[in-house]
Amino acid sequence: SQTIHQWPATLVQPVGSPLSLECTVEGTSNPNLYWYRQAAGRGLQLLFYSVGIGQISSEVPQNLSASRPQDRQFILSSKKLLLSDSGFYLCAWSVRANQPQHFGDGTRLSIL
Amino acid sequence: TQLLEQSPQFLSIQEGENLTVYCNSSSVFSSLQWYRQEPGEGPVLLVTVVTGGEVKKLKRLTFQFGDARKDSSLHITAAQPGDTGLYLCAGYLNDMRFGAGTRLTVKP
Repeated sequence: SQTIHQWPATLVQPVGSPLSLECTVEGTSNPNLYWYRQAAGRGLQLLFYSVGIGQISSEVPQNLSASRPQDRQFILSSKKLLLSDSGFYLCAWSVRANQPQHFGDGTRLSIL
Repeated sequence: TQLLEQSPQFLSIQEGENLTVYCNSSSVFSSLQWYRQEPGEGPVLLVTVVTGGEVKKLKRLTFQFGDARKDSSLHITAAQPGDTGLYLCAGYLNDMRFGAGTRLTVKP
């Protein structure tokens, strides 16, 4: 069966520090991968998605970047965090773009 | 403006009551999904509906896809505190779109 792992679960970082959140998927090949941000338990804002290694599409201009160095690894990064980067970050995968997505447990990021 | 409008935004009920939440759009979807998300966790897929008029049941949860495939509803019978959470609907157009969710609280 397929599983998705996301870490860390919580992170507290100072303004201006770098960020690296990691997501890995097991039990499937060539998944579509997604990074979302969720504010205050509400809807999901798509940040990045990837259909293959090295292929990243960005949905909104922002202070963040994403990379996919391996087939089942998706990384969310920032060189310098802003206060506005605080939030709940979710990684997800799907077999194809029009198929249901399966989510990790999320990372709660707090910027001080 | 959300492509998928969910209503109500918030719902607080007593254990044992019935409820219905809605997911509406002016667009036609090939399928819609419903997810439940508990605090501090990722959304968990509950069901996918693909055929207009389709009804799917998951224990006390009944999901219906509108005949025109533009809307869906989720009905919960005899709600329990364990049903508490954020209910999200999602549908694929040119990409997967999520509604803003209905926050359900079931009080014991």
